Amino acid sequence: DIQMTQSPSSLSASVGDRVTITCRASQDIANYLAWYQQEPGKVPKLLIYDASTLQSGVPSRFSGSGSGTDFTLTISSLQPEDFATYYCQKYNSAPFTFGPGTRVDFK
Amino acid sequence: QVQLQESGPGLVKPSETVSLTCNIFGDSISNFFWSWIRQSPGKGLEWLGYMHHSGGTYYSPSLRSRLTMSVDTSQNQFSLRLTSVTAADTAVYYCARQGNSWSPYFGLDVWGQGTTVIVSS
Repeated sequence: DIQMTQSPSSLSASVGDRVTITCRASQDIANYLAWYQQEPGKVPKLLIYDASTLQSGVPSRFSGSGSGTDFTLTISSLQPEDFATYYCQKYNSAPFTFGPGTRVDFK
Repeated sequence: QVQLQESGPGLVKPSETVSLTCNIFGDSISNFFWSWIRQSPGKGLEWLGYMHHSGGTYYSPSLRSRLTMSVDTSQNQFSLRLTSVTAADTAVYYCARQGNSWSPYFGLDVWGQGTTVIVSS
């Protein structure tokens, strides 16, 4: 099965910072990648699918890029509500494995 | 607006079987694939498997021997059954919408609020 990794596992940032999270697949998954945000105590929320398509209603400060094995999620200007854990998930073929997550907290 | 609502027993004894149900409101179960995901306390997300209204399923290899998913189209709901549970199965279990009516290859765009399962004697 394809393994998903994320880096860093956690990061500290300030409001207004540009934040980049990386997700790597152990094999080529084309662009079959989604990003989710999970605020503490809340349900995960789909941010981006097909590696770079913004889900309806998601602020434009979120963007995704990449294909094949290497992907990034970028938050152009971190807002207070963005302090959360972010997960990638591959869905080119089952099992649809999640990455281990990246926690973004206050510096 | 589509809403999903999980239900379950809350507390289960080790070695027993836990059954969870996901009720779908605002859409037909026939229009999409549907997945189960769980999250152990303080841990990340674990995708468990998906199912289709036709009865087609895919289970995560790590749980395949203990996991069964089923559908009740008349009730617009689907279910998860996990046998021989241990403390490691303690988690919040989520149901979510996956893909569309002909393909599961999409992100999970609608989630339930989750139901907590605690395995303890």
